[in-house]
Amino acid sequence: AQSVTQLDSHVSVSEGTPVLLRCNYSSSYSPSLFWYVQHPNKGLQLLLKYTSAATLVKGINGFEAEFKKSETSFHLTKPSAHMSDAAEYFCVVSAGGRGRRALTFGSGTRLQVQP
Amino acid sequence: SQTIHQWPATLVQPVGSPLSLECTVEGTSNPNLYWYRQAAGRGLQLLFYSVGIGQISSEVPQNLSASRPQDRQFILSSKKLLLSDSGFYLCAWSEGQGNAGANVLTFGAGSRLTVL
Repeated sequence: AQSVTQLDSHVSVSEGTPVLLRCNYSSSYSPSLFWYVQHPNKGLQLLLKYTSAATLVKGINGFEAEFKKSETSFHLTKPSAHMSDAAEYFCVVSAGGRGRRALTFGSGTRLQVQP
Repeated sequence: SQTIHQWPATLVQPVGSPLSLECTVEGTSNPNLYWYRQAAGRGLQLLFYSVGIGQISSEVPQNLSASRPQDRQFILSSKKLLLSDSGFYLCAWSEGQGNAGANVLTFGAGSRLTVL
């Protein structure tokens, strides 16, 4: 069984300040982990993925995430928020299952960026 | 490169009317195809999944059905819409099982359905 918990439903930051979106997972297997971003009324776009290579993963738009097995976490960070980062972010875990049961989505974190 | 198209982008339908949302993928073959729904304030719910033509798996009992008449075409349908069918519907594809990208989803732009 696998699950993913996004610890904050809403995060608000000021433009130019750091972003931290938290994600914890549970899995019976070595997981693959993903972050997706969704802008209003748009589809989801892959930001980055972890698939058992380097634990610090760099993604698009300056985002990165660190896989910490001891903490079962995969938090998303960015050093300096931009207005265009305002969106909803989903953490996803894949734990080696087959097909449709392989992916579990978190409930999402809405990021607001204040000017 | 691969692209995914989904239409219509927006739809307003009365209760009891039929529904057809279409999704096509270009630039790949034998993809896995998915339909997800986002209801207001909720996360993504997997509705249907397909590994090949005519092969549909339903994740939740509901008023909707899906079909895959061609390798890269995935259709979401309903004979009679309910108010609770309102939401944002997302089509997605991934590489087939056994491929490196099997768990990486690429999403369409979504279809906003409002049932009145």
